[in-house]
Amino acid sequence: AQSVSQHNHHVILSEAASLELGCNYSYGGTVNLFWYVQYPGQHLQLLLKYFSGDPLVKGIKGFEAEFIKSKFSFNLRKPSVQWSDTAEYFCAVTPFSGGYNKLIFGAGTRLAVHP
Amino acid sequence: DTGVSQDPRHKITKRGQNVTFRCDPISEHNRLYWYRQTLGQGPEFLTYFQNEAQLEKSRLLSDRFSAERPKGSFSTLEIQRTEQGDSAMYLCASSSRTGADNEQFFGPGTRLTVL
Repeated sequence: AQSVSQHNHHVILSEAASLELGCNYSYGGTVNLFWYVQYPGQHLQLLLKYFSGDPLVKGIKGFEAEFIKSKFSFNLRKPSVQWSDTAEYFCAVTPFSGGYNKLIFGAGTRLAVHP
Repeated sequence: DTGVSQDPRHKITKRGQNVTFRCDPISEHNRLYWYRQTLGQGPEFLTYFQNEAQLEKSRLLSDRFSAERPKGSFSTLEIQRTEQGDSAMYLCASSSRTGADNEQFFGPGTRLTVL
């Protein structure tokens, strides 16, 4: 069965520190990859997505992620975090089917950024 | 607001009671998904509709759960004879068949507490 593993459940950083959140998935075929973010009191929002092409994708608010097919990874990065990045981050994968795609989520990483 | 809406936002019920949740997708979206999220976990897929047809149901969806989308617009999720283990956040998402990437847009969720 397909699964998504997020390496860290809780991350605490100071403002201006660099961020990298790990995500690995298990699926042998073509996949679409996503990072969603949930800010406190808000609903899930798409941060960035990878479908094809350049494996380095850029999302909103200065986030980026790199798809490394050989490592089944899709790690999220940001060079300098802000207090407003405090949120829970979810990696998700859908096996490519050309049709509808149910999302398979990781357990999430809760990020706290201190001023 | 033209996003996905869910009602109610919170529901507290006693074990054994029936509950029903409603989801209104983005108006032009023909695909609708239900997910469940428990504490410390990412959302888990429950079921999927394309227009009014329910095309997939997860094994998580026991026979106490039923979902409908009678006119291909809003959807309802009913839980009969609720159990404490049903306590969770129930999320609805929608996407467009014509969208190049089938991005799913999430609603705010209904938080169910079973006493």
